Amino acid sequence: DAGVIQSPRHEVTEMGQEVTLRCKPISGHDYLFWYRQTMMRGLELLIYFNNNVPIDDSGMPEDRFSAKMPNASFSTLKIQPSEPRDSAVYFCASKSRTYGSIYFGEGSWLTVV
Amino acid sequence: AQSVAQPEDQVNVAEGNPLTVKCTYSVSGNPYLFWYVQYPNRGLQFLLKYITGDNLVKGSYGFEAEFNKSQTSFHLKKPSALVSDSALYFCAVRDWAGYALNFGKGTSLLVTP
Repeated sequence: DAGVIQSPRHEVTEMGQEVTLRCKPISGHDYLFWYRQTMMRGLELLIYFNNNVPIDDSGMPEDRFSAKMPNASFSTLKIQPSEPRDSAVYFCASKSRTYGSIYFGEGSWLTVV
Repeated sequence: AQSVAQPEDQVNVAEGNPLTVKCTYSVSGNPYLFWYVQYPNRGLQFLLKYITGDNLVKGSYGFEAEFNKSQTSFHLKKPSALVSDSALYFCAVRDWAGYALNFGKGTSLLVTP
């Protein structure tokens, strides 16, 4: 099993630019999560999907953030326009059933300058 | 809201000694509790979980955790620490809907030779 695959692993971008983070969940998993990790706030749940449908996006910081899951094997998290305070590690994760364990990708390390 | 607390930012232990990383929880209903480990520049890896059954849960890499309902705790333990156990450890609890996980702020474990 290839695990959860995220790209890019590292990105440095200038303030105001659009950032798109990508995720491929584990095959057969029907829940997908986007988390953000910072030193100040720890791990925060941004949004999650079930069967490609967004279930809870209450953690999305503001309208600059959007997430989509066009099919069962792909999701994107977009920030437009990006700001320095968006600098963080963004994790995608997936799981296969309601009470199953969540499996994380290696993260996308975003720096906005 | 379902939440966990990790009271220690850092735990230091000598190699070969037993280690304990503390976690307390606050939930309504039955708690579903998890431990994850994060090595530097990596994603979170699942260690173990408590859903129901025995209060002592065994997990990966020789770790175990003890569920204590009266003390609302779920401490992570290992009888003999290794230098390679040095990492960031997260306790987590299932959210109210049963889909996502709410994480503690993490405890940094340092095992010295």
